Parts: sequence; C-alpha cells; structure tokens
Amino acid sequence: KQEVTQIPAALSVPEGENLVLNCSFTDSAIYNLQWFRQDPGKGLTSLLLIQSSQREQTSGRLNASLDKSSGRSTLYIAASQPGDSATYLCAAQGGSEKLVFGKGMKLTVNP
Amino acid sequence: GAGVSQSPSNKVTEKGKDVELRCDPISGHTALYWYRQSLGQGLEFLIYFQGNSAPDKSGLPSDRFSAERTGGSVSTLTIQRTQQEDSAVYLCASSRDRVNSPLHFGNGTRLTVT
Repeated sequence: KQEVTQIPAALSVPEGENLVLNCSFTDSAIYNLQWFRQDPGKGLTSLLLIQSSQREQTSGRLNASLDKSSGRSTLYIAASQPGDSATYLCAAQGGSEKLVFGKGMKLTVNP
Repeated sequence: GAGVSQSPSNKVTEKGKDVELRCDPISGHTALYWYRQSLGQGLEFLIYFQGNSAPDKSGLPSDRFSAERTGGSVSTLTIQRTQQEDSAVYLCASSRDRVNSPLHFGNGTRLTVT
C-alpha cells in the first residue's frame, strides 16, 4: 500500500528565501508524482507533474525533481514571495490510477 | 475554459438525512475522482470513474456512500443517513487521461452534519 509523507507539516520563512519542500513515497512503482497547492477554502491547483521516466520539471520559479529509486521528490521554490503562502501537497499515481496524497505542508512567507 | 464545478458549496444537514453532492467535470475529461478532506487530515480517496470502466469504489467508507457518473460527465455522490463523522469537505477532480494528466479540482462542498 502506497504511503506518502511530507515533513515538516509547516514552515515559516522570510520573503526572498529559496525553499525546499520534501515528499517521500514507499512504493516506487508509480506513473508520476504530482505537486499541488491549496489556498484556504479552495480546491487544489496543479503545479507540476513529473512522469516516472523524468527527473525534473520546471514552471517559473518552481522546480520539482523525482528520484524514484529512493522514493523521494523535492519541490524547489526560488525567491519566495508572500503570495506563495499556501499548503503544498504531493501525490503519487500508481498502478491503481488513483492518487495517494501526503498530508501537505503549510508554508507561510513573511514580508 | 470552465473548470470543475461542484454544488452546493456548503451544505448543512441534520443527522440521519440523505445528501447529494454534484460534480461537473471539465468537458472531455475521462477520469473523475472524489476525495474527502477532514480538518487536519489528508485527502482520503473515495471513488474513481474512468470512461466506461467499472468504477473503483475501494475508498468508500461504508455502504451509506454511493456515487454515479451519468453519460460519462456529471457525477453525484450520495450519502445516506448522514452521521456527524461525515462532516468534511468533499472534493471532486477530473483529468483528461487515465494517467500522466494533471488533476483539476473543484472548490469542494463543505458538508456539516448537526
């Protein structure tokens, strides 16, 4: 059974810092690893999807990497801004085709 | 284009009543998912529809929960004889393909059972 873990559960940083968000998963037989952000009272917004054959994906100030063999993915946020404050979730899509989510990391970027 | 639409956005019901939650996925998306999010908890998978295949119901917590997807589009999640522990945000998501397509989420239905 796939388990996805995100540590720490919360992070508070000053504006401008480069951030590293971690995600680990127990079953490496995945199709992809997806990163989402969730703002309060809203649904999830897709940020990046890394297929199992890929090592990384980039979108603007975001870069996500995937190391299937070690069961890890990392989301890098460059030059963080207060608008980046949200909860970030990762999810692994495996053979059952459903996504298994971590519990998320609440990020606060202070001006 | 239009995103995933869920209705109602909020629902307050008395314990023991039945409720129906609706999801309109993005047009042309073949995969549709229901998840539940409780305070302080992660997203709990409920049910997955893919095209004309039999749905994956493995996440439904009890036989009080059921869902259908009509015409490969709109989906309804029904909870019978609601209990207080059913209180949560119910999220619907759709994706274009079975795998390797990003999920698009609606804003959810916040269900409160009193």
